[in-house]
Amino acid sequence: DAGVIQSPRHEVTEMGQEVTLRCKPISGHNSLFWYRQTMMRGLELLIYFNNNVPIDDSGMPEDRFSAKMPNASFSTLKIQPSEPRDSAVYFCASSLYDLGSPLHFGNGTRLTVT
Amino acid sequence: AQSVTQLDSQVPVFEEAPVELRCNYSSSVSVYLFWYVQYPNQGLQLLLKYLSGSTLVESINGFEAEFNKSQTSFHLRKPSVHISDTAEYFCAVRNNQGGKLIFGQGTELSVKP
Repeated sequence: DAGVIQSPRHEVTEMGQEVTLRCKPISGHNSLFWYRQTMMRGLELLIYFNNNVPIDDSGMPEDRFSAKMPNASFSTLKIQPSEPRDSAVYFCASSLYDLGSPLHFGNGTRLTVT
Repeated sequence: AQSVTQLDSQVPVFEEAPVELRCNYSSSVSVYLFWYVQYPNQGLQLLLKYLSGSTLVESINGFEAEFNKSQTSFHLRKPSVHISDTAEYFCAVRNNQGGKLIFGQGTELSVKP
């Protein structure tokens, strides 16, 4: 199994530009999570999906952030417009829909907004 | 709502010394508890988990954690650390009513020769 695949690994963009982060979960997993990691705030849960349906997006910082999961094998996190304070590492993780199942993380996308 | 507190942000130890990384949680309902490890420039990997049953759980690389319900703790221990254990360790909690996995702030374990 290839694990959770995130792209790109690194993204550098200018303030005001649109940024799209991509995630391919592990085949067969039906829960998908987006986290953001910064030194100041640690790991924050932004949103998670069960069976492609968003369940809790209370962690999404503001309307500039949006996430979609059009099918079981693909999800996107979009920031429009981006701001310097969005600079962070964004992780996607997937798991089975079972509270005891562990999350499997991708290697993250390091976003730098200048 | 649940929360997780990792009491130490950094723990420096010498190789072959024992180590304990502390984790306390808060929840009004039953929880599932996890420890994850993060090596530089990588995502998090599951180290061990407590779901039910025996309160002492072990990982394949010598770490163990004990669930203590009365003290709401889930401390991680290893009797003898290696240089390769240098990483950041995250405690996480998930309650039995929803899928949210909430992480602590992390503890940076630094093993020195």
